[in-house]
Amino acid sequence: GAGVSQSPRYKVAKRGQDVALRCDPISGHVSLFWYQQALGQGPEFLTYFQNEAQLDKSGLPSDRFFAERPEGSVSTLKIQRTQQEDSAVYLCASSPDRGRGETQYFGPGTRLLVL
Amino acid sequence: DAKTTQPPSMDCAEGRAANLPCNHSTISGNEYVYWYRQIHSQGPQYIIHGLKNNETNEMASLIITEDRKSSTLILPHATLRDTAVYYCIVAGRGNTGKLIFGQGTTLQVKP
Repeated sequence: GAGVSQSPRYKVAKRGQDVALRCDPISGHVSLFWYQQALGQGPEFLTYFQNEAQLDKSGLPSDRFFAERPEGSVSTLKIQRTQQEDSAVYLCASSPDRGRGETQYFGPGTRLLVL
Repeated sequence: DAKTTQPPSMDCAEGRAANLPCNHSTISGNEYVYWYRQIHSQGPQYIIHGLKNNETNEMASLIITEDRKSSTLILPHATLRDTAVYYCIVAGRGNTGKLIFGQGTTLQVKP
């Protein structure tokens, strides 16, 4: 069956540009997570949605990062005025439950390079 | 910060069992031990999880010590495709379910 998909897979942006990263979770999954993975590091939590509600955004590194999931399915992570330190792989994961720690299914990630 | 400690790297011969250790001495009673792995250029993949009993599925076995302060992930017959970074994660039920990854163990399976 279809897994979590993300687009684009690769994105090159000039410093100061805005970018939007898309996540299509597994159909019917209630929970959606965004993670950021710097080169050589483990993924770091950014934000969590339960349906359309953003219940935890404690990991967003600055107010330049914004995420939404308006209809409780597709989610978009937007980064405004990108900086070189934003270069990383952005991973999306979905889970069928309501944030009770069940298995998370990850997408392949979007690799962002800010020049 | 991650609540687990893992060796940074391990080697294993193809066809042999790979035993990956994890220390989680501060684990609390309602927290589970999860294992994920990440093959190069892919997203993490769930392997197995457990609370206090040993668990087995089609991918691996998880052995948790009686005091729950450490665990071992066992890949019974490692193949070259098992080369990956393996993450041991402690997480509680009832919160958002977010995963806190550490550095993981890079397992290199050699022919």
